[in-house]
Amino acid sequence: GAGVSQSPSNKVTEKGKDVELRCDPISGHTALYWYRQSLGQGLEFLIYFQGNSAPDKSGLPSDRFSAERTGGSVSTLTIQRTQQEDSAVYLCASRAGTSGAPPYNEQFFGPGTRLTVL
Amino acid sequence: GIQVEQSPPDLILQEGANSTLRCNFSDSVNNLQWFHQNPWGQLINLFYIPSGTKQNGRLSATTVATERYSLLYISSSQTTDSGVYFCAVESLATSGSRLTFGEGTQLTVNP
Repeated sequence: GAGVSQSPSNKVTEKGKDVELRCDPISGHTALYWYRQSLGQGLEFLIYFQGNSAPDKSGLPSDRFSAERTGGSVSTLTIQRTQQEDSAVYLCASRAGTSGAPPYNEQFFGPGTRLTVL
Repeated sequence: GIQVEQSPPDLILQEGANSTLRCNFSDSVNNLQWFHQNPWGQLINLFYIPSGTKQNGRLSATTVATERYSLLYISSSQTTDSGVYFCAVESLATSGSRLTFGEGTQLTVNP
């Protein structure tokens, strides 16, 4: 597609339930990032994919968070046993990488998924 | 890790006024981007500017990498310029990885 897309746009869940958030990067972009934006923490990095591998998972806040990327395209962020402190906007970004047109390092963001844990 | 500081945190302008937003960072960078977050939360790319000067309409930006700061200039501001402006950097030490964001500047342009 023309831009990064994310689904759902909004998700309300009950504490303790699992949720899956989806990201479709810009076609051909090799790098994909997940960030989250919350009132107390600002915009923070979660995980980075290059192709299907994740060389940097250091931002994931706990082992309840996991992510995968298949076919070098779509990524899914899964939060298990959600807690109220997981409430935030989850943002996905993609970057062309060296196989794309310069500037290779510019990141483009999707519209986000607003997660509310009751 | 790298630190990013933005100033001022809040700015209120009358329509037509000019403004300068500043971003200081604590280490050498491979990437610096300015974003505008609109009222719906979408991050809009304004500039990719790890060094040098760029202009796009009423907006321009300058990054002096050797002195570790970047400036975003908004001229003849309009009410539609309101929102949060973020500076984000990618540290040279972690090239290929995360953007680290500043806390943002909340801009309000009154008619």
